[in-house]
Amino acid sequence: KAGVTQTPRYLIKTRGQQVTLSCSPISGHRSVSWYQQTPGQGLQFLFEYFSETQRNKGNFPGRFSGRQFSNSRSEMNVSTLELGDSALYLCASSLGRGDRDTEAFFGQGTRLTVV
Amino acid sequence: QKEVEQDPGPLSVPEGAIVSLNCTYSNSAFQYFMWYRQYSRKGPELLMYTYSSGNKEDGRFTAQVDKSSKYISLFIRDSQPSDSATYLCAMSAYALKTIFGAGTRLFVKA
Repeated sequence: KAGVTQTPRYLIKTRGQQVTLSCSPISGHRSVSWYQQTPGQGLQFLFEYFSETQRNKGNFPGRFSGRQFSNSRSEMNVSTLELGDSALYLCASSLGRGDRDTEAFFGQGTRLTVV
Repeated sequence: QKEVEQDPGPLSVPEGAIVSLNCTYSNSAFQYFMWYRQYSRKGPELLMYTYSSGNKEDGRFTAQVDKSSKYISLFIRDSQPSDSATYLCAMSAYALKTIFGAGTRLFVKA
């Protein structure tokens, strides 16, 4: 069974640009969550999508947005990049309902560097 | 106060030692408790998943949840250098976002 796939693995962008990251969840998983991980702040929750709807949202500015497609694949977009957006962006997928709802599996992440 | 508190360490132990990692939390609604292991430059890997209070054992790993004290633990027996990683606790309830601890960096010396 294929795991969670994130693309690209590495990305370098300049300030002011925008970026789109992609996540393909495990087959059958309908929930996709996005996290930002930095050495100083740890894992910070961005948002969760379930069945193409945003179900939960963290405390990030509106420059961070996402969406989910009917096949459960998800994209995350960051506009007007700032130096502080440099981080490892992780995607996690889970079934999304029932008592195994929160057993989440992570991808390898996309390491974004803003210069 | 953070919803989940976890000592970032680092924690350094000799090979073969028993390691105890802990987290406390404040939200009594949490019902699902997880431990993840993260190696450098990799995504977190799910180690243990526990529902409500009690113990769960898997090989050298034991997870404990005490909901009355809002305290969870992960024990690693006979620790190995390959266990050197960052260990993250996480907790959630159905349809709520999962909250992670800051992670504890563990070093197991050969």
